Amino acid sequence: SQTIHQWPATLVQPVGSPLSLECTVEGTSNPNLYWYRQAAGRGLQLLFYSVGIGQISSEVPQNLSASRPQDRQFILSSKKLLLSDSGFYLCAWSSANLETQYFGPGTRLLVL
Amino acid sequence: GENVEQHPSTLSVQEGDSAVIKCTYSDSASNYFPWYKQELGKRPQLIIDIRSNVGEKKDQRIAVTLNKTAKHFSLHITETQPEDSAVYFCAAGLYTGGFKTIFGAGTRLFVKA
Repeated sequence: SQTIHQWPATLVQPVGSPLSLECTVEGTSNPNLYWYRQAAGRGLQLLFYSVGIGQISSEVPQNLSASRPQDRQFILSSKKLLLSDSGFYLCAWSSANLETQYFGPGTRLLVL
Repeated sequence: GENVEQHPSTLSVQEGDSAVIKCTYSDSASNYFPWYKQELGKRPQLIIDIRSNVGEKKDQRIAVTLNKTAKHFSLHITETQPEDSAVYFCAAGLYTGGFKTIFGAGTRLFVKA
């Protein structure tokens, strides 16, 4: 069966520091991968999605970037965090030929 | 791009009553409409989905309806229970070089015992 991991689970970072969040999927090949951000009490904002290694589509212009160095690895990065980057970051995957997305456990980021 | 509106933002019902959440979408190319339930501090979990070639789908106490002409879809929960209390998200998905899903803002459902 498929499993999706995210780490770290919780992160507290100062403003201006870099960020790297990792997401990996097990038990499937060539998944579509997604990064979402959820601000406190708010909805899910699609940040990036990827249909294959090295292929990244950006949905919202901001100081975040994503990379997919391996088939089942998706990384969210920032060179300098802003206060507004605080939130719950969710990675999701779907099969290449199916639409249903399954979410990881999330990373709770607090920027101070 | 696609935009999904969801109403109401908060819904409070008595245990045993029905709850209805409504969503509209803007892009007629959307063809997949999932609903997710998110409990406090946890990840969203898929509870039901419907594709554009179907007008209605039911799974026990949960049903979804889709009106493609009007571009709206709804979630119906019957015989609500306290454990149904959570935030519910609708979404609309479409192919744009990859499959993309856009979510509504969510509905916080309270079921009072």
